[in-house]
Amino acid sequence: AQTVTQSQPEMSVQEAETVTLSCTYDTSESDYYLFWYKQPPSRQMILVIRQEAYKQQNATENRFSVNFQKAAKSFSLKISDSQLGDAAMYFCAYISSRTGTYKYIFGTGTRLKVLA
Amino acid sequence: DGGITQSPKYLFRKEGQNVTLSCEQNLNHDAMYWYRQDPGQGLRLIYYSQIVNDFQKGDIAEGYSVSREKKESFPLTVTSAQKNPTAFYLCASSLFEGGQPNTEAFFGQGTRLTVV
Repeated sequence: AQTVTQSQPEMSVQEAETVTLSCTYDTSESDYYLFWYKQPPSRQMILVIRQEAYKQQNATENRFSVNFQKAAKSFSLKISDSQLGDAAMYFCAYISSRTGTYKYIFGTGTRLKVLA
Repeated sequence: DGGITQSPKYLFRKEGQNVTLSCEQNLNHDAMYWYRQDPGQGLRLIYYSQIVNDFQKGDIAEGYSVSREKKESFPLTVTSAQKNPTAFYLCASSLFEGGQPNTEAFFGQGTRLTVV
């Protein structure tokens, strides 16, 4: 069974600094999607970034970028120039591209604190 | 505006009563999901549905029931058999093409259920 592991329950970063959140996953599939979601105090889940496994290039969205290491099954999120609004829970998620697979699998989350 | 609407935002019920959480989407998505979120446990899948009139149990389906009579709607009933129903519940939907995921999961704003 596929699993997603976030080994850092909580992280802190100084405002304007860079922080990296870790995510590892276990799968025997070769095609899949990986996601990072942000859940601020409002508890609305917001997509931060998405990566297709067949793409070698790491996805980036403004200050957010990923380091996707397919062989190592690692998918870390780097937040540059951290802002107070980045404080939130961050969830890593996985879904197989195999036809008929409908289940998204989520990690347990990392709480990010941003220090002024 | 397209999106997913969960109602109500807060819900209080007495122990032993069934309660139904509403989830409606106008994104024309095929798949819909219910997740339960507890502190430190991430998102756990309760039920999901890939098509109207069909649904599948997730990892923690005991004590819950669902229906999918319309594409837009996927209500969740928390029954008296659910031993620890107090939690935050998230509904999500996703577009699938040919049985393969096309996008990330989109989430509603959640319902906080408190059973006293």
